[in-house]
Amino acid sequence: AQSVTQPDIHITVSEGASLELRCNYSYGATPYLFWYVQSPGQGLQLLLKYFSGDTLVQGIKGFEAEFKRSQSSFNLRKPSVHWSDAAEYFCAVAAGGSYIPTFGRGTSLIVHP
Amino acid sequence: EPEVTQTPSHQVTQMGQEVILRCVPISNHLYFYWYRQILGQKVEFLVSFYNNEISEKSEIFDDQFSVERPDGSNFTLKIRSTKLEDSAMYFCASSEGSLSYEQYFGPGTRLTVT
Repeated sequence: AQSVTQPDIHITVSEGASLELRCNYSYGATPYLFWYVQSPGQGLQLLLKYFSGDTLVQGIKGFEAEFKRSQSSFNLRKPSVHWSDAAEYFCAVAAGGSYIPTFGRGTSLIVHP
Repeated sequence: EPEVTQTPSHQVTQMGQEVILRCVPISNHLYFYWYRQILGQKVEFLVSFYNNEISEKSEIFDDQFSVERPDGSNFTLKIRSTKLEDSAMYFCASSEGSLSYEQYFGPGTRLTVT
């Protein structure tokens, strides 16, 4: 079965600084990979997804993620963080043939002014 | 922009009681899902529903859980006899199709079992 690890429970950055949130997965074949964001009181919103093709994926709100098969990673990046990016971020993986994502525990992003 | 809605936002119930969590998926979506998130833990898949039947369910979704689409708009999750460990945030989601389609999540219902 697939699994997802988000090693950072909390990340604190200053507004305007760059951001990288880490995600590692465990799955034998090429997985389907997702990043979701959850703002306080809101549901999860899909930021981006990777199924195949270009390993650098562009998403909404200025986010991107890079799939690195050799490292089993799918890290989320943003070059300049805004205060409104403060939220919980979830990485998820789905195995081929299944459309049900397995979620990581989430990383809480705190943005200092 | 269409969105998934869930009611109530917070439900408090006593152990052993039945609860029904309600969701209104996006109107043209065909696939419906329930997830839960116990405080401080991962979001976990419970069940998916398509064409008026369960298409996939997890080990968590045992006999005390059931889902229903009672009319053309609502999608419900029933917990027959709640336990303390059922306390969690429950998310409903819907999508137009299966994997390649984005799942749209509702804001969640926080269930507290006392």
